[in-house]
Amino acid sequence: QVQLKESGPGLVQPSQTLSLTCTVSGFSLTSNSVSWVRQPPGKGLEWMGAIWSGGSTDYNSALKSRLSISRDTSKSQVFLKMNSLQTEDTAIYFCTRFITTTGGFDYWGQGVMVTVSS
Amino acid sequence: DIQMTQSPASLSASLEEIVTITCQASQNIGNWLAWYQQKPGKSPQLLIYGTTSLADGVPSRFSGSRSGTQYSLKISRLQVEDIGIYYCQQASSTLTFGSGTKLEIK
Repeated sequence: QVQLKESGPGLVQPSQTLSLTCTVSGFSLTSNSVSWVRQPPGKGLEWMGAIWSGGSTDYNSALKSRLSISRDTSKSQVFLKMNSLQTEDTAIYFCTRFITTTGGFDYWGQGVMVTVSS
Repeated sequence: DIQMTQSPASLSASLEEIVTITCQASQNIGNWLAWYQQKPGKSPQLLIYGTTSLADGVPSRFSGSRSGTQYSLKISRLQVEDIGIYYCQQASSTLTFGSGTKLEIK
């Protein structure tokens, strides 16, 4: 069955770099796209960026200068790296599978809470 | 970027009532519109994609429609399990979500 699971540090210091891993199962990264979506506490969803089946990437213009998404297809893992973290980056970070033929995110990870604080 | 203006921000309705949530796109997005339900402490769940297509396992009381650049999610007979926050999302260009609608039972 399709599963996605995020992992990474729960606490990051301001100005540091966030590194998260999304480990997927039940589907191939070379045939599917994975996005990162975040949600600050009590707020709405923000699409951060995607890595497409061919390996190309797209980013939210507001985060593009700080964000990098990559993958290791042999390990079925997608990576997020975002630098220069600030307190407003405190959020739950989700990875999710995007279906290009439908335009929807059909499977989501459980999310990982990241707090930016000294 | 395409903006999705979602309304209302919150909504309180009675059981069995018809509920409608709308999203206005800032430009033409065709049928590249999806709806999600998010319950407290949970990940979002896909309800509708392609404006009108029901995702697997979603009850038939949920439906989606479009009039020009305005998109609507309708719940035909509100049930207790429908409480949560609903989001629209466009996939015509760089992906964006609406701001969400919190649905409560009156």
